[in-house]
Amino acid sequence: GAGVSQSPRYKVAKRGQDVALRCDPISGHVSLFWYQQALGQGPEFLTYFQNEAQLDKSGLPSDRFFAERPEGSVSTLKIQRTQQEDSAVYLCASSLRGQGNYEQYFGPGTRLTVT
Amino acid sequence: DAKTTQPTSMDCAEGRAANLPCNHSTISGNEYVYWYRQIHSQGPQYIIHGLKNNETNEMASLIITEDRKSSTLILPHATLRDTAVYYCIAIFGNEKLTFGTGTRLTIIP
Repeated sequence: GAGVSQSPRYKVAKRGQDVALRCDPISGHVSLFWYQQALGQGPEFLTYFQNEAQLDKSGLPSDRFFAERPEGSVSTLKIQRTQQEDSAVYLCASSLRGQGNYEQYFGPGTRLTVT
Repeated sequence: DAKTTQPTSMDCAEGRAANLPCNHSTISGNEYVYWYRQIHSQGPQYIIHGLKNNETNEMASLIITEDRKSSTLILPHATLRDTAVYYCIAIFGNEKLTFGTGTRLTIIP
């Protein structure tokens, strides 16, 4: 079946522009996660949804970052007034929720470059 | 979640078994050990997980020591496509994954 898809795959933004990154999770997956991966580093958690509820946004680096999942399916990560330090790969993952189940399915990521 | 420690990099000859160690000496009794890998320019991919017993699936085997303070991921017959960064994660309850920097495994032809 179809995996997690993300769009766009690549985004170049000028400093100060707003960007919106889209994630289409696997159909039926309750949980959705966003991670940020800087060059040469492992992915770092940003935020987590269970259906439409945002249960954890502790990893969002500033109030310029905002995520939503209004109908419990597609999610959008928005970054306002982009800065150079926002340049990274943004990964989305989804999972079936279940006790002891931490298997997450990742999309290919969106590479954001802020110039 | 318990901190994990992995070697920064390893090499393995193609066709040989690749053994990737992970130290998780502060792991608690209910924390699982999960392994993911990330091939260049792709998202991470789940490999295998375990709690106490050794586990095997079509991709790999996971050996967890009896005291659960360390584990080893084994790729039995490494191919060039196994070149990737491998992450060992200890997790329970908190659904977010903490990746660390992982082990960069290079398969040598």
